[in-house]
Amino acid sequence: QSALTQPASVSGSPGQSITISCTGTSSDVGTYSLVSWYQQHPGKAPKLMIYEVNKRPSGVSSRVSGSKSGNTASLTISGLQAEDEADYYCCSYAGRSTLVFGGGTKLTVL
Amino acid sequence: EVHLVESGGGLVQPGRSLRLSCAVSGFTFDEYAMYWVRQAPGKGLEWVSGISWNSGTLGYADSVKGRFTISRDNAKKSLSLQMDSLRAEDTALYYCAKDVSRSFGDAFDNWGQGTLVTVSS
Repeated sequence: QSALTQPASVSGSPGQSITISCTGTSSDVGTYSLVSWYQQHPGKAPKLMIYEVNKRPSGVSSRVSGSKSGNTASLTISGLQAEDEADYYCCSYAGRSTLVFGGGTKLTVL
Repeated sequence: EVHLVESGGGLVQPGRSLRLSCAVSGFTFDEYAMYWVRQAPGKGLEWVSGISWNSGTLGYADSVKGRFTISRDNAKKSLSLQMDSLRAEDTALYYCAKDVSRSFGDAFDNWGQGTLVTVSS
């Protein structure tokens, strides 16, 4: 159960788009379409942003989208807004009834 | 509205045990898998354990396997985590979370506010 790999930080200006990558292996991201993404503001519980690679829960902005290619999943946020500044985590089913998170990415809106 | 409320955290000495609970409301508890996710102070999220709707599937992170036991009581709408042989590295905020779908291992769509476990002598 090795953690998925995410960049430690990304940044963008208001209105721009950013993409956060999440690299796993053929044992998790590469095999299962059970990749999810979470936003966490300081002192708050995580919030589900994307599940099953590219599905948005009700209430999540259409500016948020997800994709996957091979062993790498990606989260894209377009039209960056100040309130998007937060930590973002990916997660994948990893087989044998286990899940694994990425190390997290701090998004800074400049 | 879905509510998940964790309890049972506290300060415990290394090697001792602690039992966490999660009380839920606002959804049909016995239709969804449930999970525990933890976050050490200043660190990222770590999946700890999960249990299917009927307790037929149980999963544990390697870091807790053999020490932690997850269980659920569908009649009481309650999730538990029995933590034995606690170590300093188990110190974290422990979240209870619900699966977004009726299968195991999908995603966590509702979270509690967490209960803090501190392992220290």
